[in-house]
Amino acid sequence: QSALTQPPSASGSPGQSVTISCAGTSSDVGGYNFVSWYQQHPGKAPKLMIYEVIKRPSGVPDRFSGSKSGNTASLTVSGLQPEDEADYYCSSFAGDKRVFGGGTKLTVL
Amino acid sequence: QVQLVQSGAEVKKPGAAVKLSCKASGYTFTSYYLHWVRQAPGQGLEWMGRINPSGGSTSYAQNFQGRLTMTRDTSTSTVYMELSSLRSEDTALYYCARGYNSGYFDYWGQGTLVTVSS
Repeated sequence: QSALTQPPSASGSPGQSVTISCAGTSSDVGGYNFVSWYQQHPGKAPKLMIYEVIKRPSGVPDRFSGSKSGNTASLTVSGLQPEDEADYYCSSFAGDKRVFGGGTKLTVL
Repeated sequence: QVQLVQSGAEVKKPGAAVKLSCKASGYTFTSYYLHWVRQAPGQGLEWMGRINPSGGSTSYAQNFQGRLTMTRDTSTSTVYMELSSLRSEDTALYYCARGYNSGYFDYWGQGTLVTVSS
């Protein structure tokens, strides 16, 4: 199972929007509506931000949204805030396995 | 509240094995899969495998087949992850995480650092 493909970096100024892509295959991202996104600040455990492509856990700001088209999922962060600066990872269900993307470092300029 | 508390840091020599634990509390232990995810220094997340605490069935990533064993103890709500034939590339922070059937991880342990060095 190969890792999902994410851009290594993304950036935006406060208040702007940024979208991070996550490319997989028909065996993972494209085959199921089971993509999730995680935020990780330095020295911290990952935090669930989006699950089942578009759903937000309680407590996650609605500035975070997810989508999917074909074999590619996306995370959009609107109205960027300084605290959004972190690493972001996508993950997909892949049958009895799970697979992560390589991660994207989001910088708030 | 849901908690996953992992065992402490380990230092191992190449070729040795390491066994980590993850104690769950705050929910019905047998109702959710538990997964292990590792993160090498400065690197991304890597899914290693999962165990179904109800019955003990396991599924491992292909990269770890033959070296990885996950077990559980329902009497203490604890899962264990044993990785053998350690090499320097296994130096990483190892997390346990509670998983849903639809693939996402909602609670994570604090992580256990494993250092493999001669």
